[in-house]
Amino acid sequence: GAVVSQHPSWVICKSGTSVKIECRSLDFQATTMFWYRQFPKQSLMLMATSNEGSKATYEQGVEKDKFLINHASLTLSTLTVTSAHPEDSSFYICSGPVAGPYNEQFFGPGTRLTVL
Amino acid sequence: AQSVTQLGSHVSVSEGALVLLRCNYSSSVPPYLFWYVQYPNQGLQLLLKYTSAATLVKGINGFEAEFKKSETSFHLTKPSAHMSDAAEYFCAVRVQGSQGNLIFGKGTKLSVKP
Repeated sequence: GAVVSQHPSWVICKSGTSVKIECRSLDFQATTMFWYRQFPKQSLMLMATSNEGSKATYEQGVEKDKFLINHASLTLSTLTVTSAHPEDSSFYICSGPVAGPYNEQFFGPGTRLTVL
Repeated sequence: AQSVTQLGSHVSVSEGALVLLRCNYSSSVPPYLFWYVQYPNQGLQLLLKYTSAATLVKGINGFEAEFKKSETSFHLTKPSAHMSDAAEYFCAVRVQGSQGNLIFGKGTKLSVKP
């Protein structure tokens, strides 16, 4: 299957700082990538859809100015958590669909963000 | 609206016993359904998917799932549990008309006792 990487795998930051998470499709091109958030012992919730060359589409209730998404190329999408607070601590996972009849999703390994 | 319900947030079986993880879906159109496994602090790995080609779907690691339209179910099974199967399992449905994003169930944690 296709491979998606994320960097960093974990990050600890102080409140008020910004953190950038990278999501890369290593062996396929992705015009679209998805960003999910997972709280401890809970399911994944879609935050936003990242679109190459255009603005991201955010799900209802997700703050656009807080979670900045940039899809700079066909293989890279970034999520920047701005002015992070402890409640932003979570597991962030990206995925990329491989073009085909089912647009099957391939998931990155996730990034554990802890805000102190 | 499409949705997925996983019955049982935690399932515990003995090694060698049958694994049954339940998933029911709600969809007004024929759905694409998926089962993913997540090990601690890792991303999701696809176990299997239903795309209407066959109702009984075989996946990796000995898992399989059967799509039953009359019951709106897509339960995941494995005849004999192994210690390495202990993980979190998510059932998901692809959002109709989307670029492929998924709606996930709440997940079922599988524990395997020696």
